[in-house]
Amino acid sequence: EVQLVESGGGLVQPGGSLRLSCAVSGFTFSDHWMHWVRQAPGKGLVWVSRINGDESTTTYADSVKGRFTISRDNDKNMLFLQMNSLRAEDTAVYYCARGFPGTTPAFDVWGQGTMVTVSS
Amino acid sequence: QSALTQPASVSGSPGQSITISCTGTSGDVGGYNYVSWYQQHPGKAPKLIIYNVSDRPSGFSDRFSGSKSGNTASLTISGLQPEDEADYYCSSYTSTTTRVFGGGTKLTVL
Repeated sequence: EVQLVESGGGLVQPGGSLRLSCAVSGFTFSDHWMHWVRQAPGKGLVWVSRINGDESTTTYADSVKGRFTISRDNDKNMLFLQMNSLRAEDTAVYYCARGFPGTTPAFDVWGQGTMVTVSS
Repeated sequence: QSALTQPASVSGSPGQSITISCTGTSGDVGGYNYVSWYQQHPGKAPKLIIYNVSDRPSGFSDRFSGSKSGNTASLTISGLQPEDEADYYCSSYTSTTTRVFGGGTKLTVL
């Protein structure tokens, strides 16, 4: 069974840092682009970042560029999101999502999400 | 990276059909056949229901269909069922290789 399980969320003060993890199983991790998508409480989905299978390409939304870093460990089947200089507007549920097989830019499997709250 | 435009809410009775629109620009929806749609029930993770404008994932209901004309994509749900009540989001590939979502549409089955 294909599974994505996020962890690492919590309460952090403005300006602080947090590292999210996503443990994957049930598929060949290195064959897929992986993404982070967030959803503020009561709001819509917002794409955050993506990384390709061999980590040679990463892309970020303008709102997190320079503050967030996406990475992966293909040996351990793990996806990460290092979040620095956190702001109140970064408060959201963060989902990791698998890129559709091949070149189709869609998200075909999602984790259950981890909540990040930025507040003093 | 402005969000794609979706109606905030739509409603329909069981058995009816509804359509949700998703409007972008030539830099996203209009420029590529890479629109996908997601269904999200309260407290749950989103679920892919349409990709590449009109393709359905294996095993997913054919009551859901997608289309596109110019800068606007559409999701049609036919034969509405109570379990279709959920939030629906469109997403598109963009000219800067990022992804953009719509603001979401709440579907109410009356």
